[in-house]
Amino acid sequence: GAVVSQHPSWVICKSGTSVKIECRSLDFQATTMFWYRQFPKQSLMLMATSNEGSKATYEQGVEKDKFLINHASLTLSTLTVTSAHPEDSSFYICSASGRRVNEQFFGPGTRLTVL
Amino acid sequence: GDSVTQMEGPVTLSEEAFLTINCTYTATGYPSLFWYVQYPGEGLQLLLKATKADDKGSNKGFEATYRKETTSFHLEKGSVQVSDSAVYFCALSLDGNKLVFGAGTILRVKS
Repeated sequence: GAVVSQHPSWVICKSGTSVKIECRSLDFQATTMFWYRQFPKQSLMLMATSNEGSKATYEQGVEKDKFLINHASLTLSTLTVTSAHPEDSSFYICSASGRRVNEQFFGPGTRLTVL
Repeated sequence: GDSVTQMEGPVTLSEEAFLTINCTYTATGYPSLFWYVQYPGEGLQLLLKATKADDKGSNKGFEATYRKETTSFHLEKGSVQVSDSAVYFCALSLDGNKLVFGAGTILRVKS
């Protein structure tokens, strides 16, 4: 299947700083990318959907000014957690789909810890 | 709203045992149903899917049947292996795009 990577795999930052997480589709063109958040022992919660070259569509309750999503190319989307606080600590997962791939392919996730 | 409920884990089985992981859903329309598997350190992978009632999805010895009357999509395997140890997620999609996930069930298979 298609491969999606995320970087970094884990990050620790101080409260008030911003953190950027990258999601790349390595062998296909990702016209749509999805960002999920997963709390311990809970399901993945969709945060936003982004189409290449367009603004992201955020799910209800997700602050778009706090979680900035950019999908500037067909192989890269970024999630920036701005002014991070301890409650933003979580596991963030991206997935991607494209015109020639009829399913979502998931990245391995990024563990964010805010001190 | 649309939701998926899975049995809580962890589920611990001996090798070659029979596996069932229950999954039920609520949806406003007629969803497609999925099982994803997440091996340690890896991303979620699609295991199988079914797009309409009475469809059976199958892959790698796993199977699940879309039961509209009971709104269920239980995952089964006749003989599990240690390599099946992973987290299993049931999910639905109404538009072929947005996925709604269950909480996940940890499966541990002992040799």
